[in-house]
Amino acid sequence: DTAVSQTPKYLVTQMGNDKSIKCEQNLGHDTMYWYKQDSKKFLKIMFSYNNKELIINETVPNRFSPKSPDKAHLNLHINSLELGDSAVYFCASSPGQVLNTEAFFGQGTRLTVV
Amino acid sequence: AQSVSQHNHHVILSEAASLELGCNYSYGGTVNLFWYVQYPGQHLQLLLKYFSGDPLVKGIKGFEAEFIKSKFSFNLRKPSVQWSDTAEYFCAVNARNFNKFYFGSGTKLNVKP
Repeated sequence: DTAVSQTPKYLVTQMGNDKSIKCEQNLGHDTMYWYKQDSKKFLKIMFSYNNKELIINETVPNRFSPKSPDKAHLNLHINSLELGDSAVYFCASSPGQVLNTEAFFGQGTRLTVV
Repeated sequence: AQSVSQHNHHVILSEAASLELGCNYSYGGTVNLFWYVQYPGQHLQLLLKYFSGDPLVKGIKGFEAEFIKSKFSFNLRKPSVQWSDTAEYFCAVNARNFNKFYFGSGTKLNVKP
């Protein structure tokens, strides 16, 4: 059973298109995240949601819009894709603000914008 | 703001060599510390973590790390690496009760058979 699952695993699209990446966790966690890993492998947090509420938005362009329909899902919608958006996007989850624990990561979505 | 520095960007070792990867963080408060590993083409997996107690923590696959509070460091060690340890290693920090994990820039480890 996959704890944090993302779809699709690979996404190739043209500049200017709009695309979505889905993420689901079956761990019962309250908090979910989106991270972007660039070509140099640097991992940077983009968003964090706790119980469907946005708690962290790290100066990400407003072309990126996360949506959390329930605490088990955090989807990422990207409008007007640009070449610089090419990266691997990782979804992650953790139990929440009270407990000390690690983040659990999904398999990643490799987005290539051409 | 918190930040995490990993000093070694690329390390090449022969099998059976000892490994130490450096990690320093900047945050004055109480932190949780982690090392994650990313094998080629895979997601991040937790190697080990430190929350409190014994500053020497042991993780999976023979890895260990030592938290030295005075040096703001959490270095990763393994006495004898294997070819299968070839991967990218990330140090991460989060402040207690804050849901934001800061990652270092990663260290690429290549182990030659």
